[in-house]
Amino acid sequence: DIQMTQSPSSLSASVGDRVTITCRASQNIRTYLNWYQQKPGKAPNLLIYAASGLKSGVPSRFSGSGSGTDFTLTISSLQPEDFATYYCQQSYTTSSITFGQGTRLEIK
Amino acid sequence: QVQLVESGGGLVKPGGSLRLSCAASGFTFSDYYMSWIRQAPGKGLEWISYISSSGNTLYYSDSVKGRFTISRDNAKNSLFLQMNSLRVEDTAVYYCARDLYSDSNVWFDPWGQGILVTVSS
Repeated sequence: DIQMTQSPSSLSASVGDRVTITCRASQNIRTYLNWYQQKPGKAPNLLIYAASGLKSGVPSRFSGSGSGTDFTLTISSLQPEDFATYYCQQSYTTSSITFGQGTRLEIK
Repeated sequence: QVQLVESGGGLVKPGGSLRLSCAASGFTFSDYYMSWIRQAPGKGLEWISYISSSGNTLYYSDSVKGRFTISRDNAKNSLFLQMNSLRVEDTAVYYCARDLYSDSNVWFDPWGQGILVTVSS
């Protein structure tokens, strides 16, 4: 299976900060990388697909980049509603889809 | 709007069985692949199975292969997960999700609200 490693595992930041979360794949996955946001007690919500595609309705402060093995999710100016856990997900091998372990974004 | 609603969860003893259902609405269910994804308490997300739009192609993670069976009824806009030989480590919130594709990239949108399955004696 392709292993997905996110860093950091947790992060404290303030409203208005610029935040970057990294996801590294154990092998080349081209741009088959997606990002989700999950709030406590809720289902995950898609933010970014195919590494950099912004889902319709998601605020433009969210952006994704990368290809191959290294990817980033950036929030340009944190808002109170952005404090959540973020997951990356690869689908290079569609018979074995895997997620990163998650990055918990907390209020400083 | 596009909606997925899971049902059928609960408490079951190790070795027991449970069948989860997922009712879809707001889209043409028969056009889409569907997946089950689970999340153990306090842990991350684990994809466990998907089924093609026709139901002819099925995939399972190694952790559930041989014990879980995914199926669908396109006439009733429903997805199912039959879980047999349940283990304590199968305790999790189970989500159904619609699969979206571009090239071979697959992502999940939307997700159901999730249903808790607890395996305990």
